[in-house]
Amino acid sequence: AQSVAQPEDQVNVAEGNPLTVKCTYSVSGNPYLFWYVQYPNRGLQFLLKYITGDNLVKGSYGFEAEFNKSQTSFHLKKPSALVSDSALYFCAVRDAGNNRKLIWGLGTSLAVNP
Amino acid sequence: ETGVTQTPRHLVMGMTNKKSLKCEQHLGHNAMYWYKQSAKKPLELMFVYNFKEQTENNSVPSRFSPECPNSSHLFLHLHTLQPEDSALYLCASSQDLRLAGDETQYFGPGTRLLVL
Repeated sequence: AQSVAQPEDQVNVAEGNPLTVKCTYSVSGNPYLFWYVQYPNRGLQFLLKYITGDNLVKGSYGFEAEFNKSQTSFHLKKPSALVSDSALYFCAVRDAGNNRKLIWGLGTSLAVNP
Repeated sequence: ETGVTQTPRHLVMGMTNKKSLKCEQHLGHNAMYWYKQSAKKPLELMFVYNFKEQTENNSVPSRFSPECPNSSHLFLHLHTLQPEDSALYLCASSQDLRLAGDETQYFGPGTRLLVL
């Protein structure tokens, strides 16, 4: 069965420090992987995606994610966190085959402290 | 967030009321989605439409009735809801699901629904 795990409910990081939000997945075929961010009282905003090609994907607002097939991971990273990055982050995956449904993680709340 | 708009942003209704949520996308997409977001639960896909045709109904109770008159508009008609239906209802859109691709979904701001 396809699944996504975000093992941390909350991540705390000091402003200016690097941040990592973790995501692991399980799909039967090649994965399509996505990261979204949700600010308070807002919908989900697309950050970046991995479909194929370079394992390091760069996205919006200085975020990047690294696809690691052997570890079935797709961790979200940013070299220097901003207070404004504080939000809820969601990882999603879908099988590249016929099943086009996105499977969503539970979300990780990121708090960047000044 | 002007790409996908949702109205109303907030809604309070009694269990006997009938109301509708509206979603409109300005991205030229052909697929539209309704999701339910509740605290501490994964995002729940409710319905999917592609070119106005419903392609997915994820075992949603009949008190939720979707309508897609065209590729730009999506409605969710609500009647005799239960308090446990209180949640954030999100609309999303993407490219044509018949085409091979990643179908990145773009979301509206959501409607915060409270059922009393």
